[in-house]
Amino acid sequence: GDSVTQMEGPVTLSEEAFLTINCTYTATGYPSLFWYVQYPGEGLQLLLKATKADDKGSNKGFEATYRKETTSFHLEKGSVQVSDSAVYFCALSDKNNNDMRFGAGTRLTVKP
Amino acid sequence: SQTIHQWPATLVQPVGSPLSLECTVEGTSNPNLYWYRQAAGRGLQLLFYSVGIGQISSEVPQNLSASRPQDRQFILSSKKLLLSDSGFYLCASSAIAGVGTQYFGPGTRLLVL
Repeated sequence: GDSVTQMEGPVTLSEEAFLTINCTYTATGYPSLFWYVQYPGEGLQLLLKATKADDKGSNKGFEATYRKETTSFHLEKGSVQVSDSAVYFCALSDKNNNDMRFGAGTRLTVKP
Repeated sequence: SQTIHQWPATLVQPVGSPLSLECTVEGTSNPNLYWYRQAAGRGLQLLFYSVGIGQISSEVPQNLSASRPQDRQFILSSKKLLLSDSGFYLCASSAIAGVGTQYFGPGTRLLVL
């Protein structure tokens, strides 16, 4: 079945460092891909999404490109801030599923 | 966009007591609704989903149950809580099954002692 594998954490970076969180997927169809962010004690918020190959989702300085050839949707940010400290979830949804498939989450801590 | 409300925000319950968590949705009609559980430091586990009033699908056999008495209301229940039921419970809503973006509520933190 469809699944998502994302980079294990935790990830600790200094402020203004470059961030990459890897995410790869397995799907039989053509899924939509998502990144969600969860700040401490809160629910998940949609960060960005891409619905077809070569689409780039972007929001708040974060970017991810839907790469069909490598089945990947890596999250990147050029310069992280302390306020970016959170858990990041990669996810996919497909018309063949009734639910969304989530990765295990990657905890990011940014130190000043 | 959709707004998801959940309550209570935090709950501490003794083992063997009943449970009722409520989720309501604004900003959409006929949503698909989901209950997830997130254990401490872990990913999301889908518990139940519903594509309509009275229609509940269970993903994981357990002592929890779900009901959907109204279009935009989703309730998670238990008759007798277990220690292992502790966790962070998230309700989500999607306008379209499968390919739609899911929007999440703020969550309920449940501690069973």
